[in-house]
Amino acid sequence: GAVVSQHPSWVICKSGTSVKIECRSLDFQATTMFWYRQFPKQSLMLMATSNEGSKATYEQGVEKDKFLINHASLTLSTLTVTSAHPEDSSFYICSASIGTVDTQYFGPGTRLTVL
Amino acid sequence: KQEVTQIPAALSVPEGENLVLNCSFTDSAIYNLQWFRQDPGKGLTSLLLIQSSQREQTSGRLNASLDKSSGRSTLYIAASQPGDSATYLCAAPNGNTGKLIFGQGTTLQVKP
Repeated sequence: GAVVSQHPSWVICKSGTSVKIECRSLDFQATTMFWYRQFPKQSLMLMATSNEGSKATYEQGVEKDKFLINHASLTLSTLTVTSAHPEDSSFYICSASIGTVDTQYFGPGTRLTVL
Repeated sequence: KQEVTQIPAALSVPEGENLVLNCSFTDSAIYNLQWFRQDPGKGLTSLLLIQSSQREQTSGRLNASLDKSSGRSTLYIAASQPGDSATYLCAAPNGNTGKLIFGQGTTLQVKP
C-alpha cells in the first residue's frame, strides 16, 4: 500500500515551453502533497506544500508564478513549470501524506531537462 | 528552523564491514525521523521511520536509533554488501508543519 506515482518519469523540452508533472496517490487519499527539487549531487529541497482544495504554500525563494501547483483532488497534484529555462533542469520529486504531519510517501521522481 | 547534517559525506568500505552513518538535527522537538536510500538517478526508497517515542527501529541488516535529547540519529548497516552502495539520506520534520528537512546525504561505496 501507500504507492505514489509520478508522470512523466523524464521529460526533455525546449527553453520557453511549459511542462506539467503529475503526482498521484494510487491507494490512499492524500490531503497534503509536497513538491521537492533535487539538483545534481545535492539533497532534496522542499519547493511547496499543497493541501487539497487550497492554494499551495511556497518556500522562500521559489517563484509561485513560475511553478504552478494544483491539488484539485485527494489523489492528484500537478506541478507546472512555466516558461522553463535550462536552470530549471532538475529532478522533481513529490510526496503525499494523509494528513500534514503524517508519514510522507514519495514518488519515483521526474527528471526535467530543458534545452 | 530545523537543520539536518549528515557525516561523513562519503564512505568507502570493504564488503562485510559493519558501518554507522550519522545524522544530527538542531530542533529536537520532532515527531519522527526517517532514513532513505537513493540510488543514482533514482527516487527515494524509505528504509526506516522512527517515531519520537521510539529509540530504534530495525529492518533486516539495518538498525536506526534516535536520541532526541542529543539531536542525533544513527543508521547501522551490518555485514555490508556491494548492493548497499547508494546515497543514504536522513530527514527530520520542521516543527509541526509536516515539512521534511533533508540532510546532504552520505554516499556509501561497498567494495567487493
